[in-house]
Amino acid sequence: KAGVTQTPRYLIKTRGQQVTLSCSPISGHRSVSWYQQTPGQGLQFLFEYFSETQRNKGNFPGRFSGRQFSNSRSEMNVSTLELGDSALYLCASSFSGTNTGELFFGEGSRLTVL
Amino acid sequence: GEDVEQSLFLSVREGDSSVINCTYTDSSSTYLYWYKQEPGAGLQLLTYIFSNMDMKQDQRLTVLLNKKDKHLSLRIADTQTGDSAIYFCAESGGSGNYQLIWGAGTKLIIKP
Repeated sequence: KAGVTQTPRYLIKTRGQQVTLSCSPISGHRSVSWYQQTPGQGLQFLFEYFSETQRNKGNFPGRFSGRQFSNSRSEMNVSTLELGDSALYLCASSFSGTNTGELFFGEGSRLTVL
Repeated sequence: GEDVEQSLFLSVREGDSSVINCTYTDSSSTYLYWYKQEPGAGLQLLTYIFSNMDMKQDQRLTVLLNKKDKHLSLRIADTQTGDSAIYFCAESGGSGNYQLIWGAGTKLIIKP
């Protein structure tokens, strides 16, 4: 069974640009959640999508958005990038949702903003 | 609000036992989890414990839960270099929230 796939793995952007990250969950999983990981702030929850609907949202500005497609693949977008957006962005999938705790993580997309 | 706290670093000698501690504030947590993140990788679920249990053992891993003190620990017996990683504690909110509450992670450093 293929794991969670995130693309791209690494990317470099400049301030003011926008970026789109992609996540393909494990087959059959309907929940996809996104996290931002930085050395200073640890693991911060961005949002969760379940069956194409955003079910929960963390405390991030509106520049961070996401969506989920009918095949459960998800994308997240960050507009007007700031230096502080440099981070590892992790995607996790699960069958029923983040509250069950059995999350399967991808390897992450490492974003560097210059 | 709900919070989970962990020490940032733990250094142990190879072959010794490692004990990683975590405290949480949500008394209505139903499940508590330990995840492991190896360098350059995503997180991997190590083990979890249901809130009505005191202890769970799985090979070299022992999880202890003190619900009264809201304290969770992960003991790794016979620590090996392959155990070097960041260990995250997380609890599932009992308030109908659809997200886990995460600790900051404890970096386990193994000394030869």
